Amino acid sequence: GQNIDQPTEMTATEGAIVQINCTYQTSGFNGLFWYQQHAGEAPTFLSYNVLDGLEEKGRFSSFLSRSKGYSYLLLKELQMKDSASYLCAVSLPYSGGGADGLTFGKGTHLIIQP
Amino acid sequence: SAVISQKPSRDICQRGTSLTIQCQVDSQVTMMFWYRQQPGQSLTLIATANQGSEATYESGFVIDKFPISRPNLTFSTLTVSNMSPEDSSIYLCSVELPVAGADNEQFFGPGTRLTVL
Repeated sequence: GQNIDQPTEMTATEGAIVQINCTYQTSGFNGLFWYQQHAGEAPTFLSYNVLDGLEEKGRFSSFLSRSKGYSYLLLKELQMKDSASYLCAVSLPYSGGGADGLTFGKGTHLIIQP
Repeated sequence: SAVISQKPSRDICQRGTSLTIQCQVDSQVTMMFWYRQQPGQSLTLIATANQGSEATYESGFVIDKFPISRPNLTFSTLTVSNMSPEDSSIYLCSVELPVAGADNEQFFGPGTRLTVL
């Protein structure tokens, strides 16, 4: 089966930096996505990696190592509004026949403290 | 990006009944998906809604329980049939669009919160 692991919960301080790790063992790979989900809301797209390396988007960066099956999401200059769940998702080729359907990890609940 | 709406936004249903959830997109999209997010859990892909053909279901999900329609490129429905309390969940539709810098990005609808008594 497919396996995507990320920490259940993390706590960080406003203004600081936090790194959320994601490891995956899947039977294929078409790319890795990070989504942010506030309680009671739909997930919103943060980043996409398909090649090894770092993708930077403002305060958020995402890194991928395909050989290690590893990614991380880096959040800088943390703000209280960054308190949310962060979902790592892998796009699998024709997973169960659903082309590009995403397989999600369980999500990391990030708590930002003043 | 895409604007995605879902109806209803929430519902409370009795065991044994069925509910049809609608998903409307403001642009034509090839790929539409249906996900379930059970309380405190992450998202699980139910099926890919294919326009003009039968939906493609993931392991553990069957057409009799979750029939899906996709009559055109902007609309899809998911029916949760013969509901039980275990079906209480948030159901989300998503669409896949090409985005600069990414092969494709999935945008999610606001979700339908279903409670089965």
